[in-house]
Amino acid sequence: DAGVIQSPRHEVTEMGQEVTLRCKPISGHDYLFWYRQTMMRGLELLIYFNNNVPIDDSGMPEDRFSAKMPNASFSTLKIQPSEPRDSAVYFCASSPITGGATEAFFGQGTRLTVV
Amino acid sequence: GESVGLHLPTLSVQEGDNSIINCAYSNSASDYFIWYKQESGKGPQFIIDIRSNMDKRQGQRVTVLLNKTVKHLSLQIAATQPGDSAVYFCADGWTGGGNKLTFGTGTQLKVEL
Repeated sequence: DAGVIQSPRHEVTEMGQEVTLRCKPISGHDYLFWYRQTMMRGLELLIYFNNNVPIDDSGMPEDRFSAKMPNASFSTLKIQPSEPRDSAVYFCASSPITGGATEAFFGQGTRLTVV
Repeated sequence: GESVGLHLPTLSVQEGDNSIINCAYSNSASDYFIWYKQESGKGPQFIIDIRSNMDKRQGQRVTVLLNKTVKHLSLQIAATQPGDSAVYFCADGWTGGGNKLTFGTGTQLKVEL
């Protein structure tokens, strides 16, 4: 398996534009997580899905952020409109069901710069 | 104004020495703990995990120690190598939390030749 695949790797956009980040989890994994990493706040969980259903979105900063998982092999994180303070590295991760907590496998991340 | 970022603790060790990285967690219900390594420009990578029914687990060159009484976790790296230079994160989760992990702020490990 190629692991968790994220695209794009880098995104530079102007303030006010819509940004869509994409993620393909590891096949067979039932959990998908979106994290944001910044120098200010470290690694923060934004939202996670179980079997394509959003379970906890309490980490989503505000209504400008939305995430979807239309099927087991694809998820998107959208920011509209984007702001400079959204600049960060966004990671997608997935994990299998094992009957308890387990490790999450991370993608390479998308570095977002909003100017 | 000037933004203030997280001050990552830094551990500098000589190549070949042992490294010990510490972490505190806050959730008493946590029953699963992981150490991740993050190299520059990459996502966090799993190193080793431990469940709350254990206090020690060993891997290849790494050992994790868990002290549930004081909610403390440590990662020991034996014979540290230049390739071990990275930021190390601990994370904790609990079986009732749906595989959700909470990450610490991280420690920067620098290996000096």
